[in-house]
Amino acid sequence: SQQGEEDPQALSIQEGENATMNCSYKTSINNLQWYRQNSGRGLVHLILIRSNEREKHSGRLRVTLDTSKKSSSLLITASRAADTASYFCATRRGSGYALNFGKGTSLLVTP
Amino acid sequence: NAGVTQTPKFQVLKTGQSMTLQCAQDMNHEYMSWYRQDPGMGLRLIHYSVGAGITDQGEVPNGYNVSRSTTEDFPLRLLSAAPSQTSVYFCASSWTSGANTGELFFGEGSRLTVL
Repeated sequence: SQQGEEDPQALSIQEGENATMNCSYKTSINNLQWYRQNSGRGLVHLILIRSNEREKHSGRLRVTLDTSKKSSSLLITASRAADTASYFCATRRGSGYALNFGKGTSLLVTP
Repeated sequence: NAGVTQTPKFQVLKTGQSMTLQCAQDMNHEYMSWYRQDPGMGLRLIHYSVGAGITDQGEVPNGYNVSRSTTEDFPLRLLSAAPSQTSVYFCASSWTSGANTGELFFGEGSRLTVL
């Protein structure tokens, strides 16, 4: 079964607003990754956070990880229309190499 | 830089036909994997490989075969296509370091329709 689940399933905001999406997972992880998928395209890696990290930044992206609650959040600040995409979290279980993805959050940013 | 290349981009099959989806990467990645993406289901792992000659099953392996004879190539075979295999298929690769897997690099997808 899929390891991570994103919430909400869909999010609609206006340009300039912040977008927050969450990921919950079930078992212990080694790291958690966030990906973006534009319509009709492959996924693109955004950020990786290790299990011993609590927060990580990359440009307008901020990712937090709470291993006690088995959850992560992705914050996109000052959203732009170009941020419209689906966002997925992926987790690697324990010592295994395989990455499992959630069902994604569909973000719509309107001008 | 080519990255991960998938062929074909589109394919229509009849039930019972066989075909191979090709995946090649030029980044010398040890780890390669195949996912299928269906509406409302996210990405589900089919098979993966951590090096030439080494493959393993993912979440939904039934109906699919893989092999890894070289570091660069990881083809996915459908032996007898079924309508349930209508999907978008993504190949992805990554470096490995010890027991760690890095970020995945994805191909652009192969859209398969089985009639």
